[in-house]
This record gives sequence, C-alpha cells and structure tokens, in this order.
Amino acid sequence: EAGVAQSPRYKIIEKRQSVAFWCNPISGHATLYWYQQILGQGPKLLIQFQNNGVVDDSQLPKDRFSAERLKGVDSTLKIQPAKLEDSAVYLCASSERLAGALETQYFGPGTRLLVL
Amino acid sequence: KNQVEQSPQSLIILEGKNCTLQCNYTVSPFSNLRWYKQDTGRGPVSLTIMTFSENTKSNGRYTATLDADTKQSSLHITASQLSDSASYICVVTGVPSGGSYIPTFGRGTSLIVHP
Repeated sequence: EAGVAQSPRYKIIEKRQSVAFWCNPISGHATLYWYQQILGQGPKLLIQFQNNGVVDDSQLPKDRFSAERLKGVDSTLKIQPAKLEDSAVYLCASSERLAGALETQYFGPGTRLLVL
Repeated sequence: KNQVEQSPQSLIILEGKNCTLQCNYTVSPFSNLRWYKQDTGRGPVSLTIMTFSENTKSNGRYTATLDADTKQSSLHITASQLSDSASYICVVTGVPSGGSYIPTFGRGTSLIVHP
C-alpha cells in the first residue's frame, strides 16, 4: 500500500512570496490533515478535511494560509504572503474514516519550508 | 487549555541500554493517548495507542504505560538499538463536546542511541 505522498520535499522562498504544497493521501482515506511542525516542537493541526469538506480549521491563519481538497482526494496548502515565522515542516496525514477517537493517522514525509 | 508536556527534552544512551520517556497531560475528558516515533526527515509513525481502561500496551521493545488518574504516561524502550534514535511524540486526544476529535501533540523527546 502506497503511503501519503507530499511534494515538494524542500522549498526555499523569500518573505512575502507565495508557496503551495501538495498532498496525495492513501487511497480510500476520507480524512486528510495538514500540520505545521516548527523545529523542536510537536506538530500543530492547521486544518482537517472530511472528503472535500472542512471539519476544523480553527488554527489556520486564514489571513495568509488557505487549503483546499476539491475532489475529496488530493489537497493543496498555500501560503500567501509568506513570513519568516512560517519556516517549518508541513506534514500531511490521512486516516481511513471520519476522525474518530481511535483512528490512526498516517503521515507523509513532510515539506520543509525555509523563508528567508 | 489542553496541554501535553514531555520529559526529558533530549536523551543520550548507549546501545543496549533501556530508557523511559515521560508524558504528562491536562487533556480532559480523556479519550486516548498515543506514542509516535518520528525519524529525522520523516513523518511520525504510531507506536501504541491506549484508551482510558488500558494501563499498558506493548509493541516489540516498546512498552507504554498509562495512569489516567494522575494523567501520566511513559514509554519504555528495552535493549535500545541505533535505529531507535528518533523523536518520540506523545499525543493525547480528548472527547469533543461537539465536532471532531482533535489531538494535542507534545513537543517530543529527542533520543540518541550511541554505539
């Protein structure tokens, strides 16, 4: 079974530029998550999708971050414009069913973003 | 505010030795606690998951314990190997009052196993 795929793996941009990340979850997984992991910290949930609908985006900085999952499969996360403090690893995860208590999330390798 | 605190922040041990990582949480009401292993440059991988009624769970050389009364958990690694070098993250999920289950992640413990 293929895992969660993310691209690009690395990205370096200057502040105020825009950037987009792509995630392809495990086939058949209904729930998709985007996390931000700053160096030395645990992941922070940014947004959670159930199929193509948003379940939770309470921690997404909506003035600069946006995410979509139009067909309920792949997802993109965009930052526009980027700030220095956005430098982090952006992790995508998916789970098979609606985010129940015991659902296992499978993580992708992440996209490492450096904003200069 | 739901919090998950892990200790120590980092740990260095010799290959073959045992070690124990700690996790304290304030998440309430409690649903489950999960330990993840995150290798450098990779996403986290689930090691164990425990619900309220479970106080120990093993996965090979990894054994997790849970004391729901004191809101503490530990991850014990037996006979460490070089491949155990990674960050270990404690994640606690509470029972939502409405909406979905949102996990709270700890900062992780960075473990280095030296030959």
